[in-house]
Amino acid sequence: DVKVTQSSRYLVKRTGEKVFLECVQDMDHENMFWYRQDPGLGLRLIYFSYDVKMKEKGDIPEGYSVSREKKERFSLILESASTNQTSMYLCASQIGTHSGNTIYFGEGSWLTVV
Amino acid sequence: GQNIDQPTEMTATEGAIVQINCTYQTSGFNGLFWYQQHAGEAPTFLSYNVLDGLEEKGRFSSFLSRSKGYSYLLLKELQMKDSASYLCAVKRQTGANNLFFGTGTRLTVIP
Repeated sequence: DVKVTQSSRYLVKRTGEKVFLECVQDMDHENMFWYRQDPGLGLRLIYFSYDVKMKEKGDIPEGYSVSREKKERFSLILESASTNQTSMYLCASQIGTHSGNTIYFGEGSWLTVV
Repeated sequence: GQNIDQPTEMTATEGAIVQINCTYQTSGFNGLFWYQQHAGEAPTFLSYNVLDGLEEKGRFSSFLSRSKGYSYLLLKELQMKDSASYLCAVKRQTGANNLFFGTGTRLTVIP
């Protein structure tokens, strides 16, 4: 089975702190994604990466950055956390570029910024 | 611009059939996905349509009409465990699966 693991399930951080959300997949997938999910807004794409050291902005990249130094690991960074970044963050991975290849999600990281 | 519309909530009875509709307008279209998400859990893949027509997979079927920008997910023989949110998502471009999601439909199955 494909496994996408997010390092922290629940985090509480203070405004202005730097936050790292780590994601690891064990299936040698090329593509990895970070989404956030908020009530009434659905899943929104923050950043994605289709290769090591490659990254592309999604729909809401402001306030975030990412790092992909190794194929299996994709990190989301909040340089200076703000309360409007309180959300559930979902990492996902996908093999190759075929249209029908499904995306596999991790279990999510619930971040609260106080 | 891009937009996906789904009903926010639906209720159906155990054993019945329910149809969840999804309409979309996106810049570029390369397929439509349906995901199921139980509360507090990750979304899991249900179906993928890229051509017009019906795709059947057990109790679940998904339909696509590209000319109408319309899809539906059909759930038959509903079970209590089918209570979940159902997310419609459109793939916007070739290459990496750049999915744009709707806000989801929360389905409650009652006895």
